[in-house]
Amino acid sequence: NAGVTQTPKFRVLKTGQSMTLLCAQDMNHEYMYWYRQDPGMGLRLIHYSVGEGTTAKGEVPDGYNVSRLKKQNFLLGLESAAPSQTSVYFCASSYSASGPSYEQYFGPGTRLTVT
Amino acid sequence: DQQVKQNSPSLSVQEGRISILNCDYTNSMFDYFLWYKKYPAEGPTFLISISSIKDKNEDGRFTVFLNKSAKHLSLHIVPSQPGDSAVYFCAASLNDYKLSFGAGTTVTVRA
Repeated sequence: NAGVTQTPKFRVLKTGQSMTLLCAQDMNHEYMYWYRQDPGMGLRLIHYSVGEGTTAKGEVPDGYNVSRLKKQNFLLGLESAAPSQTSVYFCASSYSASGPSYEQYFGPGTRLTVT
Repeated sequence: DQQVKQNSPSLSVQEGRISILNCDYTNSMFDYFLWYKKYPAEGPTFLISISSIKDKNEDGRFTVFLNKSAKHLSLHIVPSQPGDSAVYFCAASLNDYKLSFGAGTTVTVRA
């Protein structure tokens, strides 16, 4: 049981390049999330998904797109990377059979640098 | 506009003593609060939580107190151990699955 995994762990991009971050969970969780963590700002929600085939915007969605084609995977895409997207990205998942599920399980993070 | 605030970026405490981490929030509709712990190069891990209908929750060395009238919660760690050195995030939820996080407090436990 690996929990939540993220690929890659590190990446350096040039301004304007694109990339996709992959998140996978093996806990059969319904909900998945992408956050970014910046110094002094905690974790901010980028996009989230409440089930396979669904996505929704979070607090800071601009410049990112997501897809959830399979229940266990949640992809975060940057179409044209900007230096302001230099950050550490965390994926998380949570389970809800019925009603809210507050406890989220996090992956180890992806450190992205855009030059 | 940050709805969850941790005003102390860092805390240094001697091993064996009590660590007290504070968190303030602005939205009185938050109904569930959590604390997460994060080590360098790892993702946050859940530590302890409390529902808004309670004022205290205890789990071993960790106790969370909630003061709804003051919109304030605190995490007490007693006794503090070297392995407690980490960043601690306070988070709050508004009757759903999305969490709002504070900026974090870095705790250093001195031997």
